[in-house]
Amino acid sequence: GENVEQHPSTLSVQEGDSAVIKCTYSDSASNYFPWYKQELGKGPQLIIDIRSNVGEKKDQRIAVTLNKTAKHFSLHITETQPEDSAVYFCAASTGTNAGKSTFGDGTTLTVKP
Amino acid sequence: SAVISQKPSRDICQRGTSLTIQCQVDSQVTMMFWYRQQPGQSLTLIATANQGSEATYESGFVIDKFPISRPNLTFSTLTVSNMSPEDSSIYLCSATGQYDGYTFGSGTRLTVV
Repeated sequence: GENVEQHPSTLSVQEGDSAVIKCTYSDSASNYFPWYKQELGKGPQLIIDIRSNVGEKKDQRIAVTLNKTAKHFSLHITETQPEDSAVYFCAASTGTNAGKSTFGDGTTLTVKP
Repeated sequence: SAVISQKPSRDICQRGTSLTIQCQVDSQVTMMFWYRQQPGQSLTLIATANQGSEATYESGFVIDKFPISRPNLTFSTLTVSNMSPEDSSIYLCSATGQYDGYTFGSGTRLTVV
């Protein structure tokens, strides 16, 4: 089955700096790659996603890049703010929708004011 | 995207008893899933809740321990049966449409004493 590895497990940045979280996947059939943000005491929330026919996608301060050849994808957050502090999960799945997603182990991002 | 109401938000239960968690989605969704999350850890898929038929369980999870119902396209329940302290965890319901990522419920924090 699919295996998703996520790095780093913890990340601390100064407010205003950029943060990058990387994930690799093993199944070349995976074609949908979402990112989720989980705040304390809440369920994960989808923040951005990318499909295998696209190399990059941006939404304001958040961007995701995908390298299908290398089987890795990354989350980029620019101009970080304290409210970006949370746990971020990447995931991978096959099919036209999220289907049965395999999640990475999560990255705890701390943005210091 | 869909909105999920998950109940209860938390419970403390005696060992040997059972707890049923409910998940209500505000619109029809294609797929519904149940995840378990240990505090500070990633999400582990328990099963896919299939509408009108038996759920599809992942390795390590069995129907006798985690019976699941999905009588229609917007509602599902997960029962944690014959509980032991090892079942203490956060249980999350999720749902997806045809082209969306997951929407998660806010989770049920279960403590077994």
